[in-house]
Amino acid sequence: QVQLVQSGAEVKNPGASVKVSCKTSGYTFTTYGISWIRQAPGPGQGLEWMGWISPQSGNIKYSQHLQDRLTLTTDSSTTTAYMELTSLTSDDTATYYCARDQWEQPNFFHYWGQGTLVTVSS
Amino acid sequence: EIVLTQSPATLSLSPGERGTLSCRASQNIGRNLGWYQQTPGQAPRLLIFDASNRATGIPARFSGRGSGTDFTLTISSLEPEDFAVYYCQLRSDWPTFGHGTKVEIK
Repeated sequence: QVQLVQSGAEVKNPGASVKVSCKTSGYTFTTYGISWIRQAPGPGQGLEWMGWISPQSGNIKYSQHLQDRLTLTTDSSTTTAYMELTSLTSDDTATYYCARDQWEQPNFFHYWGQGTLVTVSS
Repeated sequence: EIVLTQSPATLSLSPGERGTLSCRASQNIGRNLGWYQQTPGQAPRLLIFDASNRATGIPARFSGRGSGTDFTLTISSLEPEDFAVYYCQLRSDWPTFGHGTKVEIK
């Protein structure tokens, strides 16, 4: 079965960087893309799409809001996707999700990782 | 930028009742809309894609309709596990989500 398993929770100081991994299994890694979505904590906090990467083509799309601080990568040998966010502030405190996507472009997200809580605090 | 507006923010219903959730797009998006359900502590789950297609394993009590700017998600008879937050999502090169509708027990 399709599985996306993310790395564990992180606590970071303001100004630091964080790198979250998303280990996939149960499907051919290069025939699908990966999107990253985040959700700030607390009631009423919605979902924010961050970016998409295609392991097959190497194409990447970033949210304009995050493009200066966000880097998405993949490692096909280990079928793992990575999300790195730099210059963290308290506004980046959120649960970060990876989701399986289409290889050509962002689409609908049929499979999700379990989420990784990133807390930014001094 | 296309904005998705969901209404109501909160819907109070009893088990067995019918629930109707709305998502309105700020411009014509065809049928490029999906719906997700999220329960506390869990990742979102895709319910509906392309406005009206149920995702794998989704019960028939969930249905979606609409095109252009106005979309609805209907839950025909609420089960206890359906009390959750529901989000709509635009499929595009830069996907966006609505702010959600919370379906709570009346």
